[in-house]
Amino acid sequence: AQRVTQPEKLLSVFKGAPVELKCNYSYSGSPELFWYVQYSRQRLQLLLRHISRESIKGFTADLNKGETSFHLKKPFAQEEDSAMYYCALKADRGSTLGRLYFGRGTQLTVWP
Amino acid sequence: DGGITQSPKYLFRKEGQNVTLSCEQNLNHDAMYWYRQDPGQGLRLIYYSQIVNDFQKGDIAEGYSVSREKKESFPLTVTSAQKNPTAFYLCASSNLGGASFYQPQHFGDGTRLSIL
Repeated sequence: AQRVTQPEKLLSVFKGAPVELKCNYSYSGSPELFWYVQYSRQRLQLLLRHISRESIKGFTADLNKGETSFHLKKPFAQEEDSAMYYCALKADRGSTLGRLYFGRGTQLTVWP
Repeated sequence: DGGITQSPKYLFRKEGQNVTLSCEQNLNHDAMYWYRQDPGQGLRLIYYSQIVNDFQKGDIAEGYSVSREKKESFPLTVTSAQKNPTAFYLCASSNLGGASFYQPQHFGDGTRLSIL
């Protein structure tokens, strides 16, 4: 069965420190992986997706199929990065095509 | 301005009443979704619809109902059978298949439902 696991419910770092938000998944097909972010009082929005291999707001995430992971990384955290981060897997087949499976989320706090 | 509109922003319900949450999109997306967001539990899928007049149960459909009579609208009814309806509800939409498979879901601002 498909599953997305974010092992850390809360994560705190100081400004300028590196940050890594962990995400592991299980899925038998060829999923698309996403990171979504929800800043305080804002709507949930896409941060980045594995297919585009881009860096957004200094964040990167590499899909590791061997370890079934899609960890989100940033070398130098900023206070404005404080938010709730969700890892999501998009199903690629059948009746579940297109639906997202979300992890439970990681609340990141960056201290000044 | 394209996007997803959820209304109302806040909703109060007395026990035993059904309430309907509105979700409208003008993105011409085929698929629409309803999620429930609770602290510590992330987003859980209630119902989704890939095409007009068709929808599927998600992971927590009990106590909820939906309809998809128009492409742009996907209202969610929280029935009196839902034992713990107090939550934040999010609606989303996306395209499906082909190159659009890689497109993300777009989310609304959400509706916060509280029981009086």
